[in-house]
Amino acid sequence: EVQLVESGGGLVQPGRSLRLSCAASGFTFDDYAMHWVRQAPGKGLEWVSGISWNSGSIGYADSVKGRFTISRDNAKNSLYLQMNSLRAEDTALYYCAKGWGMGGYFDYWGQGTLVTVSS
Amino acid sequence: EIVMTQSPATLSVSPGERATLSCRASQSVSSNLAWYQQKPGQAPRLLIYGASTRATGIPARFSGSGSGTEFTLTISSLQSEDFAVYYCQQYNNWPPELTFGGGTKVEIK
Repeated sequence: EVQLVESGGGLVQPGRSLRLSCAASGFTFDDYAMHWVRQAPGKGLEWVSGISWNSGSIGYADSVKGRFTISRDNAKNSLYLQMNSLRAEDTALYYCAKGWGMGGYFDYWGQGTLVTVSS
Repeated sequence: EIVMTQSPATLSVSPGERATLSCRASQSVSSNLAWYQQKPGQAPRLLIYGASTRATGIPARFSGSGSGTEFTLTISSLQSEDFAVYYCQQYNNWPPELTFGGGTKVEIK
């Protein structure tokens, strides 16, 4: 059974940093692209960042480019999101999602970890 | 960046009726489009990929069509469990870019 378990969320002040983690199991992690998708309270889905199976291709939404860094450790079956210079508008539930096909859509999702940016 | 626009924002439908949801891309995404369903308090679920291919375990009442810039998700006969928010997502430019539409809420009429 595929499982994606996010962690690392919490309350953080504007301008500070936070690192999210996603522990994956139930599939061959290093065969698939992985992504972070977020959802602000009461709002729609926003793709944040994605990384190919070998970290050779990485992408970011314009809203986080230059502030967030995605990475993965295939030996640990883990995905990460380093979030710097956090803003109030980064407040959201952050989902880890497994890529499928050519890696550009998502067949499995975690339950999310909540990030709240507030003073 | 490719902008995805969904309409309507809210669709009121009676159980057993057909629901038709639209998604438009600001430029061609070929058939590289997916649809997701999200219920309150739950993570999204993949319904359709490749514009028209149902994901594993998705009932046949869900169908997708379209290519280029215009796409449609049709639910042929709405069941109580289908009332939810639906999102389209393009992946034509991956890597490095992916974008979601704003969503359509399907509510009980």
